[in-house]
Amino acid sequence: EVQLVESGGGLVQPGGSLRLSCAASGFTYNSLWMSWVRQAPGKGLEWVANIKPDGSEEYYLDSVKGRFTISRDNAKNSLYLQMNNLRAEDTAIYYCVRKRVSLDYWGQGTLVTVSS
Amino acid sequence: QSALTQPPSASGSPGQSVIISCTGTSSDVGGYNYVSWYQQHPGKAPRLIIYEVTKRPSGVPDRFSGSKSGNTASLTVSGLQAEDEADYYCSSFAGNNDVVFGGGTKVTVL
Repeated sequence: EVQLVESGGGLVQPGGSLRLSCAASGFTYNSLWMSWVRQAPGKGLEWVANIKPDGSEEYYLDSVKGRFTISRDNAKNSLYLQMNNLRAEDTAIYYCVRKRVSLDYWGQGTLVTVSS
Repeated sequence: QSALTQPPSASGSPGQSVIISCTGTSSDVGGYNYVSWYQQHPGKAPRLIIYEVTKRPSGVPDRFSGSKSGNTASLTVSGLQAEDEADYYCSSFAGNNDVVFGGGTKVTVL
C-alpha cells in the first residue's frame, strides 16, 4: 500500500524558515518523480515543486523560486521541502504527492502557518 | 502558470448527471492529453479520479468519466450519489514540467 506521511509543519514568523519532510513507502520510491502541492485555507490546489527520481532536476512555482528548495534522499525514501523567507501567503496545507503521468497518491498534508 | 477555469459550483439531484468544465489554453489543456481530475471531501486529501483525460484509476466508479475538446476538458458524474458531494479540481501538464490546477468546483447533491 502506498503511503506518504508529511511532517514538519507549524507556526513560523514572516521571514522565517521551515523544513517539511515526507516519508514514502509501498512503492519503488527511487524510480518516480515527486511533488509538493499546497492548499491555502478555504482555497484551491496549487502545485509548488517537482523533483526527478535521481534528484538531478527540480521545477518550481514562480512565486517560490529562490525561496523554496525541494530535495530527496532515496536511501531513506524521503522527500523534503526547505522553505526560507516565508511570507503570509505561503500559509497552507502542504501535500507530498507521488507524480506519474498524474499526481496519483497524496499524503494527508501538513499545515504551515506564517504569522507574527 | 495561470490557473485553469472551472465553474465555482454545480449541483444535481440523486441519480442525475453533473458536468464540470475546465478551460485552459493551447499551452496546457489543449496542448497535451494530460488532464487529470481530483475529488476532495472536506478535511481530506485530494483523490485522483481521472487521468490522461479519460482514464480511471482502479477503484474509481465508472460513474465518473472525462473528455476533452480543444482547450476545454470536462468531468461527468453520472447517477449522482450523496457521497459525490465534494470539491472537484482539474489539472493539466503545462510544459516545462509545470502543473496547473483549476480553481475547483463544489458539487452539491440536492
